[in-house]
Amino acid sequence: AQSVTQPDIHITVSEGASLELRCNYSYGATPYLFWYVQSPGQGLQLLLKYFSGDTLVQGIKGFEAEFKRSQSSFNLRKPSVHWSDAAEYFCAVGAYSGGGADGLTFGKGTHLIIQP
Amino acid sequence: DVKVTQSSRYLVKRTGEKVFLECVQDMDHENMFWYRQDPGLGLRLIYFSYDVKMKEKGDIPEGYSVSREKKERFSLILESASTNQTSMYLCASRWTGEDTQYFGPGTRLTVL
Repeated sequence: AQSVTQPDIHITVSEGASLELRCNYSYGATPYLFWYVQSPGQGLQLLLKYFSGDTLVQGIKGFEAEFKRSQSSFNLRKPSVHWSDAAEYFCAVGAYSGGGADGLTFGKGTHLIIQP
Repeated sequence: DVKVTQSSRYLVKRTGEKVFLECVQDMDHENMFWYRQDPGLGLRLIYFSYDVKMKEKGDIPEGYSVSREKKERFSLILESASTNQTSMYLCASRWTGEDTQYFGPGTRLTVL
């Protein structure tokens, strides 16, 4: 069965500092990987996704993530955070079976706090 | 833009009541999903549907059922609500052939 681990429940970063959120996955085949963000009281918004090809993917809001197969990781990064980045971040893994509606498996989330 | 709407943002119900949570998407997506979100547990899949009148159990279907009579609408039903079903419920949809799921804003359900 597939699984996702986000080792950090909370992370506090100063505004303007760099950010890295960790994500490790377990999946038997080539995974489809996602990062979603959830602002307080809101639904989930897709930041970026990886299916194949270049292992460094760019997303919205200045985020990027790097897929490392050897480490089963898909860490999210941002060079300089803004106060508006404070939110809950979820890593997810999914499978596309050519027509079946497989749901995503989510990590438990990382709560990002931005210090002034 | 893809739009997924949920009928209520906040809902308060009593134990034993039958509860309907509605989700509507406007992009002709074949696949729709219901998740619940709990602090420290992330999102967990309850049910999904890949076509009208079709449904599949997710990871935690106990205590829930679903209905999909029209392509754009996917309902989650709590036959007899219990306090342990107090949670945030998120609906999502996607096209067959694409893995990106689009989420609604969520319904925060409290069962007293």
